[in-house]
Amino acid sequence: SQQGEEDPQALSIQEGENATMNCSYKTSINNLQWYRQNSGRGLVHLILIRSNEREKHSGRLRVTLDTSKKSSSLLITASRAADTASYFCATDGGSGGSNYKLTFGKGTLLTVNP
Amino acid sequence: KAGVTQTPRYLIKTRGQQVTLSCSPISGHRSVSWYQQTPGQGLQFLFEYFSETQRNKGNFPGRFSGRQFSNSRSEMNVSTLELGDSALYLCASSPSIRGYTEAFFGQGTRLTVV
Repeated sequence: SQQGEEDPQALSIQEGENATMNCSYKTSINNLQWYRQNSGRGLVHLILIRSNEREKHSGRLRVTLDTSKKSSSLLITASRAADTASYFCATDGGSGGSNYKLTFGKGTLLTVNP
Repeated sequence: KAGVTQTPRYLIKTRGQQVTLSCSPISGHRSVSWYQQTPGQGLQFLFEYFSETQRNKGNFPGRFSGRQFSNSRSEMNVSTLELGDSALYLCASSPSIRGYTEAFFGQGTRLTVV
């Protein structure tokens, strides 16, 4: 079963705009990660945020985590056409589970129009 | 450092046949995981191997099996193929350092069952 649920399912913006994607999950976690996938290819790791962190930055990416609401958001600033891809959040098993069994949401398809 | 290599990239099989997919992890990574991606079910965890032992298993029938060799390379096998097994199969490797759960994915094997 899916642990994470991304919202929205699809997002279309213009180059230069910011894109925000949300993820909700159901059980406790150690970490939450975001991945990008270009057109049915492999996943690329973007950023990992630990359960005791609230916000993390990496280049144009900003991730927030609210463990009380079991939710996370990914913000991509100043988007580029090359950011067009599907974005997935992934959670691990938490204190009772395995760090190496990731549960993915269904993803957000981001389209950045030039 | 070379990335995760999956072979073959594309495969067409007939219902009832069996198939073996291969994954070579990043050098030094000892954990290898397999995921199935379909439009309907999204990304689902199949199993994870560490030091030639299956450490975690997803909710898939016994037709799906895998193994890991002493050099950390892994194979997964699907017997008695069904149409519903058509999917992108992704392999991921991880350093398996405690608390470090970032996974590095290969480009995947696209399996089509006809």
